[in-house]
Amino acid sequence: KAGVTQTPRYLIKTRGQQVTLSCSPISGHRSVSWYQQTPGQGLQFLFEYFSETQRNKGNFPGRFSGRQFSNSRSEMNVSTLELGDSALYLCASSLYSGSRTEAFFGQGTRLTVV
Amino acid sequence: KNEVEQSPQNLTAQEGEFITINCSYSVGISALHWLQQHPGGGIVSLFMLSSGKKKHGRLIATINIQEKHSSLHITASHPRDSAVYICAIPEGGSQGNLIFGKGTKLSVKP
Repeated sequence: KAGVTQTPRYLIKTRGQQVTLSCSPISGHRSVSWYQQTPGQGLQFLFEYFSETQRNKGNFPGRFSGRQFSNSRSEMNVSTLELGDSALYLCASSLYSGSRTEAFFGQGTRLTVV
Repeated sequence: KNEVEQSPQNLTAQEGEFITINCSYSVGISALHWLQQHPGGGIVSLFMLSSGKKKHGRLIATINIQEKHSSLHITASHPRDSAVYICAIPEGGSQGNLIFGKGTKLSVKP
């Protein structure tokens, strides 16, 4: 059974540009969550999607957005990139959105903004 | 607001030693996750537990809901156990909205 796949693995962008990251969940999983990891702030929740609907959003500016498609694949977009957006972006999938659902993480996309 | 505190921040052990990593949180929860992150960045879910104790190989996780405390134990530690161990709890009723501890960086020397 294939795990959670994130693409691309590495990305370098220039300040002001926008970027789109992709996450393909484990087959059958309907919930996808996104997280940002930086050395200073650690892991922080970005948003959660379930059945194409955003269920929760973390405390990030509106430049961070996401969506989920009917096949449960999810994308997140960051517009007008800032240097501080350099981070490891992780997604996790789970069968459903309950608080007792095990989460399976992808390998992450490492974004560098220069 | 729920907060997650982990200790110690860094831990160095000799191969074969018994390891304990602690996690405390401030508000009632329905489940707690223990995660492992290797230098490459990917995260592996080790345990999700809501009561008692779970064991997988050399790893044991315990939780005390009344005391709001969980521990991760590694028996007969090995250099391949070197990683960052993170505990996380869901905020509200949603699994996706996880609050993470700052992690414990474990280094096991041969």
